[in-house]
Amino acid sequence: AQTVTQSQPEMSVQEAETVTLSCTYDTSESNYYLFWYKQPPSRQMILVIRQEAYKQQNATENRFSVNFQKAAKSFSLKISDSQLGDTAMYFCAFMTSSNTGKLIFGQGTTLQVKP
Amino acid sequence: DAMVIQNPRYQVTQFGKPVTLSCSQTLNHNVMYWYQQKSSQAPKLLFHYYDKDFNNEADTPDNFQSRRPNTSFCFLDIRSPGLGDAAMYLCATSETGVYGYTFGSGTRLTVV
Repeated sequence: AQTVTQSQPEMSVQEAETVTLSCTYDTSESNYYLFWYKQPPSRQMILVIRQEAYKQQNATENRFSVNFQKAAKSFSLKISDSQLGDTAMYFCAFMTSSNTGKLIFGQGTTLQVKP
Repeated sequence: DAMVIQNPRYQVTQFGKPVTLSCSQTLNHNVMYWYQQKSSQAPKLLFHYYDKDFNNEADTPDNFQSRRPNTSFCFLDIRSPGLGDAAMYLCATSETGVYGYTFGSGTRLTVV
């Protein structure tokens, strides 16, 4: 079975600090895609960053970057210079190239950025 | 702006009374998805359409049905809502999936 695990239900960080959210996944496939989504309170889920498994280089989008460790099946999200607007629930998600119709989500991490 | 629109944002229905949630998109994406998200839980895929090809998840209850009359619209029908069906229902679209999905704002369903 393919699963995504986020072991940190809740985290907090001071504004302007850096925080890392953890995610591990399990699959027997070699080609897949990983995503981090952000869901602010009462607002729609938006894509933060994506990573293709066959690419060794870690993806970066402005203040957001990932640490992709394929052998360890780990895909953590680093948020630098945290802002109040980063307060949200963050979901790690996974999709295999053989089944791009199904995005599998982790349980989510609620991040609170404190002023 | 191209987007995914869900109506209504909030829906209250009576136990056992059929309810329909709607989703429309201006992205012209081939694939549309319906997810159920209960409080503080991961979204769970109910079904998706690739064009008009319907794909049901094995554990989606028969109580849930879907229709996609054209590329732009998709509906979620709950034939006899139970208290356990209270949740946020998310619609999403994608072209191929590999670049991620575009989500709507969701419909929060309350069953009384």
